[in-house]
Amino acid sequence: AQKVTQAQTEISVVEKEDVTLDCVYETRDTTYYLFWYKQPPSGELVFLIRRNSFDEQNEISGRYSWNFQKSTSSFNFTITASQVVDSAVYFCALSEARPGGGNKLTFGTGTQLKVEL
Amino acid sequence: SQTIHQWPATLVQPVGSPLSLECTVEGTSNPNLYWYRQAAGRGLQLLFYSVGIGQISSEVPQNLSASRPQDRQFILSSKKLLLSDSGFYLCAWSFPSGGGYNEQFFGPGTRLTVL
Repeated sequence: AQKVTQAQTEISVVEKEDVTLDCVYETRDTTYYLFWYKQPPSGELVFLIRRNSFDEQNEISGRYSWNFQKSTSSFNFTITASQVVDSAVYFCALSEARPGGGNKLTFGTGTQLKVEL
Repeated sequence: SQTIHQWPATLVQPVGSPLSLECTVEGTSNPNLYWYRQAAGRGLQLLFYSVGIGQISSEVPQNLSASRPQDRQFILSSKKLLLSDSGFYLCAWSFPSGGGYNEQFFGPGTRLTVL
C-alpha cells in the first residue's frame, strides 16, 4: 500500500525566513508520481507541482523549490523568503494508477505553515 | 480554461436525512472525476472516481454513493446521513488518460455538518 508521511504538523516562521516542508513516501511501484498542493484558509486545494519517478532533477519556480531524492524516498518543498501569503496547509501526495483509468492520490496529513510578520 | 464548481458551499443536515452534493466541470470533455473527503485532522481520502458517464468506482465502503449522469457532472449522495459523514467534501477532475500521472484540480469544496 502507498503511504505519504509529513512529519511536521505545524511550522511557524517569521516573514523572509526560508522554510522546508518534508515529505517521505512509500510505494512498491517503479513508476510513480508525486505532487504538492497548497490549501489556503478558503479550503480549495491548489496544485503546485508534479514530479515523476524518472526525473530527479530539482525544480525551482520563483520562491518555490523542490528536492526529489529517490534514494531516501523524499520529496521536500522549500519556500525561500517566506511571505504572509504563504500561510496555508501544504499537502504532499503520491499517485497510483487505477484500473480502467484515472489515478488515486494518497495524501499526507499536511503541514500547517504559519508565516508571521 | 477549465473551471470546477461545487454546491452547496456549506450544509448542515440532521442525522438520518438524505444528501446530494453536486460537482460540475466546464471547459473540458470526458474528464476523470473524483470525490474526496477531508475529515478533521486534514487527511484527504478518495471516496469515488469516474472515468466516464455511468462508470463509478468506489474506494471505501461507506454510507455514500456517487453518480455521473452527464459527462461533466458528478453527484455524491446518501440516503441516510450519519454523524461520521461530517467533513469537507472536495470534487476534483483530471484529464482523461491512464498511467497515474495527471494532476487533479480541485473545486472549492462543501463543508457538511451532520447534527
